[in-house]
Amino acid sequence: DVKVTQSSRYLVKRTGEKVFLECVQDMDHENMFWYRQDPGLGLRLIYFSYDVKMKEKGDIPEGYSVSREKKERFSLILESASTNQTSMYLCASSLPRNIQYFGAGTRLSVL
Amino acid sequence: QKEVEQNSGPLSVPEGAIASLNCTYSDRGSQSFFWYRQYSGKSPELIMFIYSNGDKEDGRFTAQLNKASQYVSLLIRDSQPSDSATYLCAVKPSNAGGTSYGKLTFGQGTILTVHP
Repeated sequence: DVKVTQSSRYLVKRTGEKVFLECVQDMDHENMFWYRQDPGLGLRLIYFSYDVKMKEKGDIPEGYSVSREKKERFSLILESASTNQTSMYLCASSLPRNIQYFGAGTRLSVL
Repeated sequence: QKEVEQNSGPLSVPEGAIASLNCTYSDRGSQSFFWYRQYSGKSPELIMFIYSNGDKEDGRFTAQLNKASQYVSLLIRDSQPSDSATYLCAVKPSNAGGTSYGKLTFGQGTILTVHP
């Protein structure tokens, strides 16, 4: 069965903190993605990775970075959290046929 | 023009009716099309995918694709209250000389409510 696991369901952080969101998939997928989802704005792609140590910017990369040291793990980093980064963060992985499987999501609040 | 547009909602249908969800896309070279369902507070889950023109049926769900009209739809027959959710249309853009690495472009979603 397909499994994409995000490390936290809910997270509360303070402005200026460095925040790590972790995502692990057990399907040996090459491609992994980080999205944020906000009411009225839909799913927006932050970064994606197509191989270990390979990454590309999505539509809204500003204020974020990513790390993929192992194939199964893709981390999203908020270098200095700000209140406008309060959102639902979704990780997904896919094979080249493009079906994306999503994790349960992390609801991040930055105070 | 948005790359992937879905019919504005919310859409409300009575239990047992057919719910029709529509999606248009701007990239004529798009090859793969997906429908995801997202319950409130949950993550999207894949319902169906379709790659070829025509209809694809899976239980109460039918996906319809018309590449000439750049249109993809999802029909839900015998709608149930448990079908109440946001439905996301997603499209794999054409490579345009590069590779999209499995990127999808998502529509804004249509909220469906099935009332008893």
